[in-house]
Amino acid sequence: EPEVTQTPSHQVTQMGQEVILRCVPISNHLYFYWYRQILGQKVEFLVSFYNNEISEKSEIFDDQFSVERPDGSNFTLKIRSTKLEDSAMYFCASTLDIYRGYTFGSGTRLTVV
Amino acid sequence: RKEVEQDPGPFNVPEGATVAFNCTYSNSASQSFFWYRQDCRKEPKLLMSVYSSGNEDGRFTAQLNRASQYISLLIRDSKLSDSATYLCVVPPANNAGNMLTFGGGTRLMVKP
Repeated sequence: EPEVTQTPSHQVTQMGQEVILRCVPISNHLYFYWYRQILGQKVEFLVSFYNNEISEKSEIFDDQFSVERPDGSNFTLKIRSTKLEDSAMYFCASTLDIYRGYTFGSGTRLTVV
Repeated sequence: RKEVEQDPGPFNVPEGATVAFNCTYSNSASQSFFWYRQDCRKEPKLLMSVYSSGNEDGRFTAQLNRASQYISLLIRDSKLSDSATYLCVVPPANNAGNMLTFGGGTRLMVKP
């Protein structure tokens, strides 16, 4: 079964540092997403990406965040200057059709110290 | 009303029991819905889709009540391996975006 793969599985970074989280969505999917989940809280939408551009973003996705799909396979989330409150599990997801639901990657646990 | 609301639980049930969770949603125009399962510190995984009045898959039954704007998930003959958090997920109404909205989840613990 096709998978969404995410790397790294765990990243520890110092406050103020930049991090890049990487994802390889399922190859024929058209919509790509980043969600995050702070420990013990709900899954929160960050951003959606379609046709090589951001289609929606949440209030969480401020100027510190950016996404790229540089080469047609990778989909990255960059946090420019991490804060303690950015510590969370970050999930990448993709789908061919929103009404079929998403497939999620196994996540990157980001710990900001 | 919150966009997607669930009782957080936990629901503690013995093996073999039948358990049901409800989820209410606020957007009356939403057409299809999902139940996802999330194990501790893992990614959500799609369990069932609900497009019309309901859907059944083995021990799992999902039902939709549009008039009251809720969906339910029924698990029959609970297994220890059913212990997880069950997330109610609502897509946008047609042509209103492409992001799914997640409920906070209902935690199920099945005991021997």
